[in-house]
Amino acid sequence: GIQVEQSPPDLILQEGANSTLRCNFSDSVNNLQWFHQNPWGQLINLFYIPSGTKQNGRLSATTVATERYSLLYISSSQTTDSGVYFCAVDLRMDSSYKLIFGSGTRLLVRP
Amino acid sequence: DVKVTQSSRYLVKRTGEKVFLECVQDMDHENMFWYRQDPGLGLRLIYFSYDVKMKEKGDIPEGYSVSREKKERFSLILESASTNQTSMYLCASSLRQGGEQYFGPGTRLTVT
Repeated sequence: GIQVEQSPPDLILQEGANSTLRCNFSDSVNNLQWFHQNPWGQLINLFYIPSGTKQNGRLSATTVATERYSLLYISSSQTTDSGVYFCAVDLRMDSSYKLIFGSGTRLLVRP
Repeated sequence: DVKVTQSSRYLVKRTGEKVFLECVQDMDHENMFWYRQDPGLGLRLIYFSYDVKMKEKGDIPEGYSVSREKKERFSLILESASTNQTSMYLCASSLRQGGEQYFGPGTRLTVT
């Protein structure tokens, strides 16, 4: 089956630093989402990005579908950015679609 | 904004009890999903539904059933709870198949 790999698995930043998170996937996908899971467990939608680049405040994402990867950029990080970041790819399976998650990048931003 | 709500944030049940987890979405989404999240295993799909009264098995349906009597509500049922069903349960919905999924806040279930 399709493999979704995220790197790095863990990241510690000082407040104000920038970072890049990577998501590689092994097959063609219908779509890709980035989520932030906060300390209370809620998955918050960041980007829905099958291809191209999107920006939302200090966050931006780029997906290069032909090369099977996506990048999430966090600039001027804040302590509230801490948590786990997941990418998930949407794969068509028979007559339905299935969201397959990577194992996540755990980010800690220190004050 | 899309809103997905789950009936409980925390739940403690005893082995053998019948457990109902409720999920409601307010955006008229066609598709609804139940996942569980466990350390080291990530998020795994239990069941999903693409229409009222329709359901499809996900990757780990054993020990669970679902019900979708109304479009906005999707229930996960543990017929006889077991300790290995202690987990974080997450509900999600999407407007269309392959569309963006939105998640509820999750229910942390402990079965003792």
